[in-house]
Amino acid sequence: AQTVTQSQPEMSVQEAETVTLSCTYDTSESDYYLFWYKQPPSRQMILVIRQEAYKQQNATENRFSVNFQKAAKSFSLKISDSQLGDAAMYFCAYRSAIRQGGGADGLTFGKGTHLIIQP
Amino acid sequence: DAGVTQSPTHLIKTRGQQVTLRCSPKSGHDTVSWYQQALGQGPQFIFQYYEEEERQRGNFPDRFSGHQFPNYSSELNVNALLLGDSALYLCASSHGYPGETQYFGPGTRLLVL
Repeated sequence: AQTVTQSQPEMSVQEAETVTLSCTYDTSESDYYLFWYKQPPSRQMILVIRQEAYKQQNATENRFSVNFQKAAKSFSLKISDSQLGDAAMYFCAYRSAIRQGGGADGLTFGKGTHLIIQP
Repeated sequence: DAGVTQSPTHLIKTRGQQVTLRCSPKSGHDTVSWYQQALGQGPQFIFQYYEEEERQRGNFPDRFSGHQFPNYSSELNVNALLLGDSALYLCASSHGYPGETQYFGPGTRLLVL
């Protein structure tokens, strides 16, 4: 079974600064997908960024980028120019690329990192 | 384009009762997954429905069951409620391929007294 670990329960950053959230995972599979989701107090889970394991290039979405280290099984999220609206819980998630019985695999989530933005 | 919708938004039940939660997927999606998120924790995968069948299941007892309708909407049923079933229940929809991104609904907050 896969596991996802987020070792930082809480992080704080000044507005406009850069912050990096850590995520490590454990799997025996070679092909998979990794995701960062954001959950603000409104509780709606929003996709921030995704990475395919077979791609060496790190994914980037505007101010959000990842550092994907496959051998180290590490998948960190960097938020540049932090904004007040970035304050939320951030969850790292893993998904197998193996299609079992049709459909697609469920996501395995970490416990989350609470990101605080200091004005 | 409507996103994933869930109903009700909040629900209060007592131990031993049964509850049904509902989910309508994003337009064009055929796969629905259900997750349980306890307070302060990450979501835990309950099960997934594709083509009206349960395709995968997480580590949840048989008290948790579901259904998918021909229009791809889905229900989650929980029987014999326990206090520990109090949580946010999230529904996510996607296309039925491994690489497809799951889009989440706003959730149903269930409180069991």
